[in-house]
Amino acid sequence: NAGVMQNPRHLVRRRGQEARLRCSPMKGHSHVYWYRQLPEEGLKFMVYLQKENIIDESGMPKERFSAEFPKEGPSILRIQQVVRGDSAAYFCASSPEDRGGNTEAFFGQGTRLTVV
Amino acid sequence: KQEVTQIPAALSVPEGENLVLNCSFTDSAIYNLQWFRQDPGKGLTSLLLIQSSQREQTSGRLNASLDKSSGRSTLYIAASQPGDSATYLCAVRKGYNTDKLIFGTGTRLQVFP
Repeated sequence: NAGVMQNPRHLVRRRGQEARLRCSPMKGHSHVYWYRQLPEEGLKFMVYLQKENIIDESGMPKERFSAEFPKEGPSILRIQQVVRGDSAAYFCASSPEDRGGNTEAFFGQGTRLTVV
Repeated sequence: KQEVTQIPAALSVPEGENLVLNCSFTDSAIYNLQWFRQDPGKGLTSLLLIQSSQREQTSGRLNASLDKSSGRSTLYIAASQPGDSATYLCAVRKGYNTDKLIFGTGTRLQVFP
């Protein structure tokens, strides 16, 4: 059972371009979480999705950022018209449907976005 | 609003020392607390997870304690080794219906030979 897979691992974009970050959850997991880690800071929650639904987007910037988790395929975090301040590591985590007390989210290796 | 703080921000110690890393949180209504390790440029590795009803968890040389009422957790590392050098993050989970985590800013640990 492969872990949470994120790609690309590294992404370089020029200011104004679009960045698309992909996250394939662990097999059997239907909950996906995106976090952002700015340089020298901790991880900040961005959005929580279940298949085809956004459950909690309280951490998403109001503009330029969107996320989806379609019925088929990976979850996508999309950043339009990137700016230098978007440079960060973006982590995805997944957890299973069963909400038993011992469930926990498992993290991917992250995508490091650099905006030049 | 839940805030998680970790002290110290950085720590440099010689090999063999026993260490205590601290984590505090402002809202005691948590579901569980988790300690992670993050190596430079890498992802997160879960070390220990403590449910809100538990007082501590142990794994090898690591022991994590939780005092929910006072909003504190400590990670104890025994007989530290250079391979323990990494950033250690604590994170709290608020509720049953979500695995959303609130992270602290981390403690950067360096263990030198």
